Amino acid sequence: EAGVVQSPRYKIIEKKQPVAFWCNPISGHNTLYWYRQNLGQGPELLIRYENEEAVDDSQLPKDRFSAERLKGVDSTLKIQPAELGDSAVYLCASSRGGETQYFGPGTRLLVL
Amino acid sequence: DAKTTQPNSMESNEEEPVHLPCNHSTISGTDYIHWYRQLPSQGPEYVIHGLTSNVNNRMASLAIAEDRKSSTLILHRATLRDAAVYYCILRGLMVRDDKIIFGKGTRLHILP
Repeated sequence: EAGVVQSPRYKIIEKKQPVAFWCNPISGHNTLYWYRQNLGQGPELLIRYENEEAVDDSQLPKDRFSAERLKGVDSTLKIQPAELGDSAVYLCASSRGGETQYFGPGTRLLVL
Repeated sequence: DAKTTQPNSMESNEEEPVHLPCNHSTISGTDYIHWYRQLPSQGPEYVIHGLTSNVNNRMASLAIAEDRKSSTLILHRATLRDAAVYYCILRGLMVRDDKIIFGKGTRLHILP
């Protein structure tokens, strides 16, 4: 069974530029999560989807971050415009009905 | 949200058992204790979870104190591949309201 797929694995951009991350969850997993992990810290939840519905986006900085999961399968997380403090690893995870979460390898973002 | 407390780092010799402690004095009766680990440059991966009784699986064992205010993850025979950050997390019973909060975890160093 394929795991959670994320792309790109690495991204370097200049501040004020837009950036997007893509996630394809494990087949059959209806719950999808986006996390941000700063250096030396544990992951922090940004948004959680149940199928197409964002059921928890309380930690998503809505002025510059947006996410979508239009067909309830893959998802995109966007930052526009990026700031220096957005440099981090962005992790996607999926689960079946909120059970054990399976994480992707993450996208490492560097904003210059 | 119930929180956990873990040592920042631990060391162990290869092929010896490792006991990773976690304190969760404010745990509620419906909180499950989950452990995840994060290998270098990878997303977190599930290790084990339990509610009241001790649990064993192919990766590790979980020993839960009788009052549930602490738990210990046991790696029976550490290998170099077990070097990772280990997170102890509490998860509520109600999946809809589930919010995983990662702390900083314990960085485990394995000495050859």
